Amino acid sequence: NAGVMQNPRHLVRRRGQEARLRCSPMKGHSHVYWYRQLPEEGLKFMVYLQKENIIDESGMPKERFSAEFPKEGPSILRIQQVVRGDSAAYFCASSPQQGSTDTQYFGPGTRLTVL
Amino acid sequence: AQKITQTQPGMFVQEKEAVTLDCTYDTSDQSYGLFWYKQPSSGEMIFLIYQGSYDEQNATEGRYSLNFQKARKSANLVISASQLGDSAMYFCAMREGPAGNQFYFGTGTSLTVIP
Repeated sequence: NAGVMQNPRHLVRRRGQEARLRCSPMKGHSHVYWYRQLPEEGLKFMVYLQKENIIDESGMPKERFSAEFPKEGPSILRIQQVVRGDSAAYFCASSPQQGSTDTQYFGPGTRLTVL
Repeated sequence: AQKITQTQPGMFVQEKEAVTLDCTYDTSDQSYGLFWYKQPSSGEMIFLIYQGSYDEQNATEGRYSLNFQKARKSANLVISASQLGDSAMYFCAMREGPAGNQFYFGTGTSLTVIP
């Protein structure tokens, strides 16, 4: 029973390039969440998606960041025109349901480095 | 106000001893969930234990137990019989309400187990 998959595990981009991070939730999970972890900090919520819908993007920066979870395929977090401050670990999590009792299971993260 | 507060940036424990990692939370919701995750140096986030706000018994999972004191709004993690492999960052998290979208994370506690 595969867990949450994220790729790539490490991504290096130069300033101004685009970064695409992929996440495949656990089998049977239809709720996907993206978090960002800056060095020496805890995780901060970015966005919550269900298939083909963005439910809550209150933690997403207003510019350059977007997320999708298409009917087929993985969820994608896209960062356009990356800047050095985007360097962080980006974690995807999934859950089978949505509620306070439902554990979110995390992927291994993508470590983005912007040169 | 911070939703989750972890006041111990770093902790040391002797191998085979027990250790308590502190976590306090802030919410006005009656229904919420409390979670602990372990993040080893490899970076992944590993789910350890969950406590629901309506659970009367403290949660236990193997060597992990959660000391839940609702009136004090604390959810401390107790690790018994520490092992070298327990050395990692530990994050406390909360999910609010019957349909809370996001987890709120603390800043983490770095635990080092000394042989």
